[in-house]
Amino acid sequence: SAVISQKPSRDICQRGTSLTIQCQVDSQVTMMFWYRQQPGQSLTLIATANQGSEATYESGFVIDKFPISRPNLTFSTLTVSNMSPEDSSIYLCSVGTGTPYEQYFGPGTRLTVT
Amino acid sequence: GENVEQHPSTLSVQEGDSAVIKCTYSDSASNYFPWYKQELGKRPQLIIDIRSNVGEKKDQRIAVTLNKTAKHFSLHITETQPEDSAVYFCAAGNNFGNEKLTFGTGTRLTIIP
Repeated sequence: SAVISQKPSRDICQRGTSLTIQCQVDSQVTMMFWYRQQPGQSLTLIATANQGSEATYESGFVIDKFPISRPNLTFSTLTVSNMSPEDSSIYLCSVGTGTPYEQYFGPGTRLTVT
Repeated sequence: GENVEQHPSTLSVQEGDSAVIKCTYSDSASNYFPWYKQELGKRPQLIIDIRSNVGEKKDQRIAVTLNKTAKHFSLHITETQPEDSAVYFCAAGNNFGNEKLTFGTGTRLTIIP
């Protein structure tokens, strides 16, 4: 498995501002993912964070709104830009690792936009 | 793309009875099927997974079965205990290529003491 941490654990932000969420892993991993989980809902993949290249976004998510960085094999950031109340959600990073391959989740960042 | 359906959305069982959650997937290229348990306010926790080269896998009280022909897989929990109460998510993906997972909509399992 992998030990995954996220910062911040929660935040309350004003609309129109941006928040950057950090994800740190205790070992080098090839695959890192960012998910959104709205209250009482399932997990929706925002993007795959690729080291050394642009992130791959899922349908409905765009780079201008959710810019992602992946500077190395243990760290990634997700920025939620120009926030609106609809962005209130839990944002989780996930890593894929191991042989056989498995995916694990970070503790999440609970974002409230007022 | 992949589409995963999960049933039921809620499930209540008496403590000690068995619980079964079922999922279907659409993409025949999927070969990796994990199950996650999410307790309130916690992260999803990987509890068991199965790959397309096997039909069943067991780990103590939990088991998962896979039918690739019918494109469905199921989670079985036996001798349920109050601590099994949580939301369970199935997922499908592949461990070749991009390895992303598509999740089901979740099942809220309540164990009645």
